[in-house]
Amino acid sequence: DTEVTQTPKHLVMGMTNKKSLKCEQHMGHRAMYWYKQKAKKPPELMFVYSYEKLSINESVPSRFSPECPNSSLLNLHLHALQPEDSALYLCASSQDSYQPQHFGDGTRLSIL
Amino acid sequence: SQQGEEDPQALSIQEGENATMNCSYKTSINNLQWYRQNSGRGLVHLILIRSNEREKHSGRLRVTLDTSKKSSSLLITASRAADTASYFCATPSGGYQKVTFGTGTKLQVIP
Repeated sequence: DTEVTQTPKHLVMGMTNKKSLKCEQHMGHRAMYWYKQKAKKPPELMFVYSYEKLSINESVPSRFSPECPNSSLLNLHLHALQPEDSALYLCASSQDSYQPQHFGDGTRLSIL
Repeated sequence: SQQGEEDPQALSIQEGENATMNCSYKTSINNLQWYRQNSGRGLVHLILIRSNEREKHSGRLRVTLDTSKKSSSLLITASRAADTASYFCATPSGGYQKVTFGTGTKLQVIP
């Protein structure tokens, strides 16, 4: 069992839909991350939150909107996605940004 | 571009054999990490080696780091079918606020 919980596990949405991905950790970690992973590729960093503040945005399109409501929760709001956004979206957390990361099992997203 | 390049891209061995995978990186680092990813799952941290360490062990895992060659290797001894997974090295970047993952090695251990 992973200590980082992501919901939903699978999501199919149309290009005009709005949906959100959720990530939760109760390890007291103060850094949280969103990654995108395409098949047979390594994870690519999208966003880093440190102490609930956005510290890194890897030039991600505005159709992806992250939110960190509190130190345990991380959301990724999705709107008007494109078919090429279909991927596995992974959330991770770490004690701080210099420590090893703990990953959730991801949300498999398919855009129709 | 990726910070780490790994080879081989894929490796198939018999159970009980040893598996070695290599990672090369481009810039100076203060540590290097290895992660495992089982199919359809998230990544699991295996081991972190600091730049002042040359070798580190954890169970059946042995990691080496050669900062002069900017390379690291992960050795899995006495492999098991459960070791079948993709393995990624990860190096700090962006002022050490993040890590960048290498291209990965897909390991298949045949029972």
